[in-house]
This record gives sequence, C-alpha cells and structure tokens, in this order.
Amino acid sequence: GAGVSQTPSNKVTEKGKYVELRCDPISGHTALYWYRQSLGQGPEFLIYFQGTGAADDSGLPNDRFFAVRPEGSVSTLKIQRTERGDSAVYLCASSSSGRADTQYFGPGTRLTVL
Amino acid sequence: KQEVTQIPAALSVPEGENLVLNCSFTDSAIYNLQWFRQDPGKGLTSLLLIQSSQREQTSGRLNASLDKSSGRSTLYIAASQPGDSATYLCAVTGNTPLVFGKGTRLSVIA
Repeated sequence: GAGVSQTPSNKVTEKGKYVELRCDPISGHTALYWYRQSLGQGPEFLIYFQGTGAADDSGLPNDRFFAVRPEGSVSTLKIQRTERGDSAVYLCASSSSGRADTQYFGPGTRLTVL
Repeated sequence: KQEVTQIPAALSVPEGENLVLNCSFTDSAIYNLQWFRQDPGKGLTSLLLIQSSQREQTSGRLNASLDKSSGRSTLYIAASQPGDSATYLCAVTGNTPLVFGKGTRLSVIA
C-alpha cells in the first residue's frame, strides 16, 4: 500500500514569509508525528497527533510554528515569519495507533529560507 | 531529558565483515527502541523495533539487542554488503515520541 507522502519535496522561501508543509499519512494510521532534521543531526521531535488533537506539542520551538490535522488524516505544518534558522528537512511519520508502535516516515520536505 | 548517543559516528569496513553499531540512552523509562536506516537525501526506513520488555529482535542479517537497565542497544549486521552503506539511527520512545541519536555513517567497501 501507499506509504507516507509529503509535499512539496523542496521549498525555497524568503525570510519573513509564511510556508505550509503537507503530510499524508498511511491510511488508517491514527498517530502522526512531525520532526525536523538539520544537516548531520538526528531528527528532532516537533509535535505528535492522536486523531485530530495534538497529544504532545512540546517540541515546537516557538509560536511561529503551528500544525493542524482537522480530519484526523492529512496534517499541515505551518511556519510564520520564517527565519534562516528554520532551514532543515521536515519529516512526517505515522503509526497505527500510538507511540509504542513502529513509525513509518515520509521522504521529507527540504525547506530553505533565504 | 532523554539523550541518545551513537558510537562510532562513522565506520568503514570491507565487504563481508560482521559489524556492531552502538547506541546508549540516559533514561531507561522507555516504551521501545527503534533502529532506522537513512540513505542520503531520503527519509528514514524502520529496520527493527524492540519493545521495552524484549531483549532482541532479528530481521535477516540484522540483529538488535536491548539492555534497558544499562541504557544500551547494539545493532549487529552480518556479512556486510555495499548496499548496506547508509546512516543508521537509533531512537527511543519514552515521554517524548522518538528521541534520536546523531547516527552512525556506515560505508561498506567492495
């Protein structure tokens, strides 16, 4: 079956602009996660959804970052007033029910803020 | 705060060798530990998941062990192949969903 998909694969924007990154999880997976990976580092947790609600958003770095999952499937990560330090690969993952399950990752969105 | 460390940071071996990658974590209160593979410019592929109650998991040429009390895991790769070249990441799930190490970059030379 289809895996986790993310769009766009690459996004270049200017400092101060607003961006939206989209994640389509595996069908039927109730848990969805966003991570951010900088060059040479492991992924860093941002936010975890269980269904439509954010079960844990402790990894969001500041209030410029926001994520939604209104129907419990597709999720959008939104970044306001982008800064050069936001440049990274943003990874999405899903799992069948919760954090104890295997997480399946998408290919990521590479965000570059000029 | 959970911290995950992977040693070595990079490893180069000739084809056919058996090898061990190491992972340590500071907080033993975990649900599980996962090993992932990441190819350059790609997402992560899950290799093995070990629940906190388990000691090891095997898949083909891969074997992962978990010693929760000492905060350690190893990934054993048997009869390495050039296609095994990638970055291997260890991650633990506890209060935070998946805390990752920085990875071990493996090169298998033909």
